[in-house]
Amino acid sequence: SAVISQKPSRDICQRGTSLTIQCQVDSQVTMMFWYRQQPGQSLTLIATANQGSEATYESGFVIDKFPISRPNLTFSTLTVSNMSPEDSSIYLCSVEALNYGYTFGSGTRLTVV
Amino acid sequence: GQQLNQSPQSMFIQEGEDVSMNCTSSSIFNTWLWYKQDPGEGPVLLIALYKAGELTSNGRLTAQFGITRKDSFLNISASIPSDVGIYFCAGQGSAGNNRKLIWGLGTSLAVNP
Repeated sequence: SAVISQKPSRDICQRGTSLTIQCQVDSQVTMMFWYRQQPGQSLTLIATANQGSEATYESGFVIDKFPISRPNLTFSTLTVSNMSPEDSSIYLCSVEALNYGYTFGSGTRLTVV
Repeated sequence: GQQLNQSPQSMFIQEGEDVSMNCTSSSIFNTWLWYKQDPGEGPVLLIALYKAGELTSNGRLTAQFGITRKDSFLNISASIPSDVGIYFCAGQGSAGNNRKLIWGLGTSLAVNP
């Protein structure tokens, strides 16, 4: 299966600032996704990162708050903008690989103070 | 958004016991996935099911894709302490928007050595 490197693994940020999370895959993949997992909760899809075009956002998530880049088939970034304590969550990068289902990065644990 | 009904929500068992958890949906799925998430990590795929009625094993783990395509179960035999974690089911439809993963709320497993 694809190996995903996600950075940073954790961060503590001041409210009002922005954090960019990076996701690097060791092979080219068609589908890349960004999820949010609030404490003790299940996974919520934020958006699908599309290579060469704007990301496709799920209901309740907007580009101004969560801008996403996908410059090629192995890399994507998610920015959490103008952060508030409510943004404190684990953010996960995921890819879909044929016959391996969805593989996840180890996540970025974000705390906003 | 849509979520699967996953039960039980939590389990506390003795080492060596067998474990069973299940997920049900009001929608038909083409794929069922079972993941385990350890603290501070992203979910790791345990078993993927692609065909109604399919029964698949991975070591001490066995999962089945229900005949109705609306349910799945995961069994763990002879539990050990490293089985501790949160187990998630996820279902996937066939095409377009239905290909997004729909997640259960998770089953938290604790094993008493």
